[in-house]
Amino acid sequence: ELKVEQNPLFLSMQEGKNYTIYCNYSTTSDRLYWYRQDPGKSLESLFVLLSNGAVKQEGRLMASLDTKARLSTLHITAAVHDLSATYFCAVDYGGTYKYIFGTGTRLKVLA
Amino acid sequence: DTEVTQTPKHLVMGMTNKKSLKCEQHMGHRAMYWYKQKAKKPPELMFVYSYEKLSINESVPSRFSPECPNSSLLNLHLHALQPEDSALYLCASSQDGGGADTQYFGPGTRLTVL
Repeated sequence: ELKVEQNPLFLSMQEGKNYTIYCNYSTTSDRLYWYRQDPGKSLESLFVLLSNGAVKQEGRLMASLDTKARLSTLHITAAVHDLSATYFCAVDYGGTYKYIFGTGTRLKVLA
Repeated sequence: DTEVTQTPKHLVMGMTNKKSLKCEQHMGHRAMYWYKQKAKKPPELMFVYSYEKLSINESVPSRFSPECPNSSLLNLHLHALQPEDSALYLCASSQDGGGADTQYFGPGTRLTVL
């Protein structure tokens, strides 16, 4: 059974600080996705990582993928309040149409 | 246009009712998805249609019945639901679903079953 786990589950951080969210998955996949979800809202795509060593950056967020370690990271640089949301990673299971989402990380950035 | 629309936004129904959720996209995507999301949980895949054919049914109870009338439209028919089916139902679409595709999500329908 494919498992996708994130840690931490909850993260409270001060503005201006850096932090990393980790996404581990249990089976071979070289495609990983990051999404953001604001409270009561739908999901917004942030990054698509399609190969080992892929790195994508947008603003204060940077995502990377290590398929050998089955690990993706989402690094937050100099956090601002607007980044407060829940972040999900998702794995494309075996190249099928099946996307399995991670447990989610609820991020709160304190002013 | 990168929008996926869903109607209604909110739905309250009794356990004996029949209702339908609707999802529409005009991005030319050939894969469409239904997810169920309970509060503070990740989305759970329910169904996937690829090229208007049902590709994945994640052992969803028969009280949920999907339908894909054409490549732009996806319905979810609801009948005899239980209170535990109350959740946010999200529709998504992607280019062709063969992997490596970004999914675009609709705003969701918040369903309450009384």
